[in-house]
Amino acid sequence: SYELTQPPSVSVSPGQTARITCSGDKLGDKYVCWYQQKPGQSPLLVIYQNIKRPSGIPERFSGSNSGNTATLTISGTQAMDEADYYCQAWDSSTVVFGGGTKLTVL
Amino acid sequence: EVQVVESGGGLVQPGGSLRLSCAASGFTFSTYWMHWVRQAPGKGLVWVSRINSDGSITSYADFVKGRFTISRDNAKNTLYLQMNSLTAEDTAVYYCARDIAVAGPFDYWGQGTPVTVSS
Repeated sequence: SYELTQPPSVSVSPGQTARITCSGDKLGDKYVCWYQQKPGQSPLLVIYQNIKRPSGIPERFSGSNSGNTATLTISGTQAMDEADYYCQAWDSSTVVFGGGTKLTVL
Repeated sequence: EVQVVESGGGLVQPGGSLRLSCAASGFTFSTYWMHWVRQAPGKGLVWVSRINSDGSITSYADFVKGRFTISRDNAKNTLYLQMNSLTAEDTAVYYCARDIAVAGPFDYWGQGTPVTVSS
């Protein structure tokens, strides 16, 4: 079965750039989306089709996808961005989530 | 305003059954694929099942095949998940989510309904 691998944790200082990776076999051939989940809340879509931002998502969130790795980039990270982030793709009629990355802003 | 609201979760004994519901409003429910996603306590998101807009196509994660059944009633704007032969490993918050396309992304999620399988 297809797997997506994310680092368990990423730390960043306020105002700096955070990068969260998601790896999978030939992932660049697929569409990847990213969700943000804060404690006690439902997931929120922040990036879809690799690079698109839903309405209402700040411009500091961006995405890329090439080769075997997709990356969620948060520029000028703010304290409010501290959350768990999940990548998601689709393979053989199955939806696959990455294991999640806890982003700490300190 | 788009809303999806899950219900039906609760405490059930191992081997038991439960039916979850997801009431949709604020959009044309009958034109969207819908999904169930679960999250065990302290763990990540795991996809469970999906159904196409008219209910004629369904798919499941391997770990629920033969035990769970997804369905929908477009006249009632409601999505269902019938869960049978539950085990402790099925303990999780179950979310329903609206699909923009066919297999993600999911642009609207409910608040989730908790399911606890325990004796």
